[in-house]
Formats: sequence, structure tokens, C-alpha cells
Amino acid sequence: KAGVTQTPRYLIKTRGQQVTLSCSPISGHRSVSWYQQTPGQGLQFLFEYFSETQRNKGNFPGRFSGRQFSNSRSEMNVSTLELGDSALYLCASSARTQGPNTEAFFGQGTRLTVV
Amino acid sequence: EDQVTQSPEALRLQEGESSSLNCSYTVSGLRGLFWYRQDPGKGPEFLFTLYSAGEEKEKERLKATLTKKESFLHITAPKPEDSATYLCAVQAGNDYKLSFGAGTTVTVRA
Repeated sequence: KAGVTQTPRYLIKTRGQQVTLSCSPISGHRSVSWYQQTPGQGLQFLFEYFSETQRNKGNFPGRFSGRQFSNSRSEMNVSTLELGDSALYLCASSARTQGPNTEAFFGQGTRLTVV
Repeated sequence: EDQVTQSPEALRLQEGESSSLNCSYTVSGLRGLFWYRQDPGKGPEFLFTLYSAGEEKEKERLKATLTKKESFLHITAPKPEDSATYLCAVQAGNDYKLSFGAGTTVTVRA
């Protein structure tokens, strides 16, 4: 069974630009969550999508947005990039059942560097 | 707001020297506590889920336990390949988001 796939693995962007990151979840998983990881703040939750609907959102500015497609693939977009947006962006996929087995499985991440 | 605190921040062990990592949490309505392992430059790798106090799970040299206020990750007779950052996260209430601790970086010397 293929794992969570994130593309691209690395990105270098200039301040003020925008960027789109992609995530393909594990087959059959309908929940995709996004996290930002930095040395200072650790792993912070951005948002979660389930069946194409945003279910939860973290404390990030509106420049951070996302969407999920009918095949559960997800994209996140960051507009008007700032130097502080440099981070490892991680996508996690979950079956999101009602009972147990709500484990989230992470992709390898996209390393974004803003210069 | 959910709070997760991991200690120590860093742990240096000799190969074979067993030790424990701590994860204390303050949440309302714990749904699950998760342990992950993360190698540099990679995404977190799922290790365990614990759902209720008293629960224990094992995998190779790792054993995770859960009480009402904290979880421990015991590493028995570690090997250099166990060197990594170990992350603890909680899921609470109706949220499916994970709230992570800052992690414990374990270095095992041969």
C-alpha cells in the first residue's frame, strides 16, 4: 500500500510570491491534514479536510488556504510569502473513522525556503 | 487549549542503556495519544496509539504506556538506529487535529 505522497519535496520562493503544495493520501483515506514544522514552533496544525470540506482550522493567517478534491487529494496554498513561512510542510492522511484507528500517517514533507 | 509537554528535550544514551521519555498532557476529553518517530528531514513515522489509562503497547525495543496525565516511551537496550526525535501528540474532543509536544531527541552511541 502506497504511503502519503507530497510534491514537490523542495521549493525555493521569493518573498511576495505564492506557492501551491500537493498531497496524495493513502488509498481509501478521506481525511487530509496539513501541518507546519519549524525549529522554533515545532509541529503546528494548519487545517483538516474531510470529503472536500474543511473541518478544522488552526491559528494561521488567511494567506494559508487549502482544498480537497473528490479523489481526496489535497493542495495547500500560501500567498504573499514571508520569510517566516520557511518551514517543512507536512501532510497527514487518516481513515477518520468514528471509533479507534484514527491514526494519522505523514508524508515526507515539502521543504519550503523563502528568500 | 490542549497542552503537551515532553521531557527531556535531549537524551544521549550508550548502546544498551535503557531509558524513558515522558509526555505530560492537559486536554479535555482525550481521544487518543500518539507517539511518532522522526528522522532528520523526514516526516514523522507512526509508532503507537494509546486510548485509555493503563493501556500499554510494544514494538521491538519500544514500549509505550499511558496514565491519566502522562505517557512514557520506554526504550529497552537501544541501538544506534534508535537515534531520532520522538514526538508525542494528543487528539481531544471532537477535533481530529493533533497537538504535538516539542519532541525528545534521542542519540544512541555505539
